[in-house]
Amino acid sequence: EPEVTQTPSHQVTQMGQEVILRCVPISNHLYFYWYRQILGQKVEFLVSFYNNEISEKSEIFDDQFSVERPDGSNFTLKIRSTKLEDSAMYFCASSDNGRGHSTGELFFGEGSRLTVL
Amino acid sequence: AQTVTQSQPEMSVQEAETVTLSCTYDTSESDYYLFWYKQPPSRQMILVIRQEAYKQQNATENRFSVNFQKAAKSFSLKISDSQLGDAAMYFCAYRTSLNSGNTPLVFGKGTRLSVIA
Repeated sequence: EPEVTQTPSHQVTQMGQEVILRCVPISNHLYFYWYRQILGQKVEFLVSFYNNEISEKSEIFDDQFSVERPDGSNFTLKIRSTKLEDSAMYFCASSDNGRGHSTGELFFGEGSRLTVL
Repeated sequence: AQTVTQSQPEMSVQEAETVTLSCTYDTSESDYYLFWYKQPPSRQMILVIRQEAYKQQNATENRFSVNFQKAAKSFSLKISDSQLGDAAMYFCAYRTSLNSGNTPLVFGKGTRLSVIA
């Protein structure tokens, strides 16, 4: 069964460093998402991406964050200068085009745990 | 903006018994999807069950079923014959009409379910 894969599973970084989290969405999906979950809290939407551009972003997704689909398969989340409060689990998700036999489901990866020291 | 409320931070159930997790949501739209996702200790988000708002029939998936009350904006999850593997955090989620194709999920804060042997 196709799945969303994320790397790394866990990354530890120093405050102020740049971090790139990588995701490979399901191959025939067209919409991609990043979500964040701070430990013990709810899952929060960061950004959605379609046709090589951001479709929607939340207030959390400020200028420190950026997303990119560099090569047609990977979907990356970059945090330019990490802060302590960026420590969280970051989930990538993808979905199909939402028409026809779409289930409406978002398929999630296993997450990348980011620890900022 | 849509909101999802899970009023039970924690629930417990005896193995083989039945438990119901509550979820309410707020929306002005008539066409949307509702989901229950399970997040075990491994942290991956796993879809448990989905419901299309235009369908009156409650969705069922093996031991999992929902009670969808559209007028009351209520979407509860019933787990029958609870198993130890059901222990997890359960998130209720809402997704608006798929006409735009890339609408994000809105999550509730989650209910932590413990299963007692």
